[in-house]
Amino acid sequence: QVQLKESGPGLVQPSQTLSLTCTVSGFSLTSNSVHWVRQPPGKGLEWMGGIWGDGSTDYNSALKSRLSISRDTSKSQVFLKMNSLQTDDTAIYFCTSDWFAYWGQGTLVTVSS
Amino acid sequence: DIQMTQSPASLSASLEEIVTITCQASQDIGNWLAWYQQKPGKSPQLLIYGATSLADGVPSRFSGSRSGTQYSLKISRLQVEDPGIYYCLQGYSAPYTFGAGTKLELK
Repeated sequence: QVQLKESGPGLVQPSQTLSLTCTVSGFSLTSNSVHWVRQPPGKGLEWMGGIWGDGSTDYNSALKSRLSISRDTSKSQVFLKMNSLQTDDTAIYFCTSDWFAYWGQGTLVTVSS
Repeated sequence: DIQMTQSPASLSASLEEIVTITCQASQDIGNWLAWYQQKPGKSPQLLIYGATSLADGVPSRFSGSRSGTQYSLKISRLQVEDPGIYYCLQGYSAPYTFGAGTKLELK
């Protein structure tokens, strides 16, 4: 069955870089896309970007200058890196697959000194 | 960017009542519309995809419809487990955009 799980630091200092990993099982990264979505506490959902089965990427233009999504197909992992973090980047970060049908549990990232 | 205008922002309804939530797309998105339910502390759960198709395991009291660029989610008989926040998502073109959400509560 399809499963996704996010992992990464719970706390990041302002101006630093966030690195998250999404480890997937039950499907192949070369056949399905994986996207990242975030949700600030008590607020709505924002699509950040995604990586397609062919390895190409799409990014939200509002984040494009700070965001990078990559993958390691041999490890079934997708990576998110975002630099220059600020306090308004505090959010739950989800990875999702198969056109947003399957979601990880999410990981809370707090940006604070 | 495609804007998704979701209404109402909040809604209170009684058990067994019919509930309807709508999303208006700012341009044609075809049937590239999905609906999600999110409960506190949980990730969004897919209810409807392709505007009208019921996701696996979702009760049949949930249904989706489309009229032009307006999309609706209907809960035919509200049950005790249905309160939560509901979101629409357009998957027609990047950046993929969500509606602002509808908070559904039991009266």
